[in-house]
Amino acid sequence: GDSVTQMEGPVTLSEEAFLTINCTYTATGYPSLFWYVQYPGEGLQLLLKATKADDKGSNKGFEATYRKETTSFHLEKGSVQVSDSAVYFCALTEANQAGTALIFGKGTTLSVSS
Amino acid sequence: GAVVSQHPSRVICKSGTSVKIECRSLDFQATTMFWYRQFPKQSLMLMATSNEGSKATYEQGVEKDKFLINHASLTLSTLTVTSAHPEDSSFYICSARARGGGGSYNEQFFGPGTRLTVL
Repeated sequence: GDSVTQMEGPVTLSEEAFLTINCTYTATGYPSLFWYVQYPGEGLQLLLKATKADDKGSNKGFEATYRKETTSFHLEKGSVQVSDSAVYFCALTEANQAGTALIFGKGTTLSVSS
Repeated sequence: GAVVSQHPSRVICKSGTSVKIECRSLDFQATTMFWYRQFPKQSLMLMATSNEGSKATYEQGVEKDKFLINHASLTLSTLTVTSAHPEDSSFYICSARARGGGGSYNEQFFGPGTRLTVL
């Protein structure tokens, strides 16, 4: 079945450092890909998404490019802030299938210190 | 943007009691709602999928008689944890998919979650 694998954390960085969180997937069809963020004590928030190959999702300085050839959707940010400390989840869902749930990776905890 | 609410946000109950969690889509109609469970420092595990007006589809290993799901309207789904025990303590999260939200992707909107603690 479909699955998502993301790098294990925790990831600890200093403010203004470059961030990469790797995410790869396996899917039988043509999935849509997502990054969600969960701040301490809160629910999941959609950070960015991409719906087809070579699409680049971006939001709040974060970017991820849908790479079909490498089945990857790595999350990057050029300069992290303390406020970016959170758990990041990579996820996929099969496009054009009504009622299909998201499949999540295990999450990567990011801690940014000043 | 689409907003999903959950109520209550936190609940503490005694072992053996039942707890109902509500999930509402506030500004859109949700044909499908999903219930997830999240253990500390772990990913979200899908429990069940519910479509308005029909029975929920449970994932393997999830007891449907223990986790009762009702999706009575296009804006409300409820999860009832019956005869709760300490091992049911967890963070329960719902998400909703908008009606007519087909097209090239399948976006879901998440509620803020409900922290259940069973003593």
